[in-house]
Amino acid sequence: EVQLVESGGGLVQPGGSLRLSCAASGFTFSNYEMNWVRQAAGKGLECVSYISNSGSTIYYADSVKGRFTISRDNSKNSLYLQMNSLRAEDTAVYYCTRGTGFDYWGQGTLVTVSS
Amino acid sequence: QTVVTQEPSLTVSPGGTVTLTCASSTGAVTSGNSPKWFQQKPGQAPRALIYSTSNRHSWTPARFSGSLLGGKAALTLSGVQPEDEAEYYCLLYYGGVRVFGGGTKLTVL
Repeated sequence: EVQLVESGGGLVQPGGSLRLSCAASGFTFSNYEMNWVRQAAGKGLECVSYISNSGSTIYYADSVKGRFTISRDNSKNSLYLQMNSLRAEDTAVYYCTRGTGFDYWGQGTLVTVSS
Repeated sequence: QTVVTQEPSLTVSPGGTVTLTCASSTGAVTSGNSPKWFQQKPGQAPRALIYSTSNRHSWTPARFSGSLLGGKAALTLSGVQPEDEAEYYCLLYYGGVRVFGGGTKLTVL
């Protein structure tokens, strides 16, 4: 059974940092591109970042470019999102999703940026 | 900046048929945009329904179908069930950029 479990969310002050993790199981992680998608309360979905299976190709939305860093450790079946210089508008539930098909989603982790 | 537009809300009667659409600010949606559709119910993560325009995932009920219609991607629900009440999002690819539509709130009434 494919499972994606996010962790690392929480309350952080503006300008602060957080590192999100996504633990993957039930499939060959190293074969799949992985994505981070976020959703602010009552709002739609935004593709924040993705990383190719080898890590050689990376994309960031303009809204997070220069502040967020995506990475992966295929030996640990894990995906990460390092978030720096956080702003109030980064407050959202962050989901990790599998592959170019976005076929499996985690349950999400809530990031709240507030003083 | 590319904008993907969906109907904000639609209402359908149980047993009826409804079509949701997904339009691109860059022009006609094509198979090259690899349209995908997702369903999200309150308090839940999105669930994938359709990929590559018209392909159902193994868990997607047959009453959901995807197509290209009039220059847009379309999701048609036939024989709507009460449990289909949800928010529906499309996703389009533009080379390396992936853009979600704003979502359609489907009410079954």
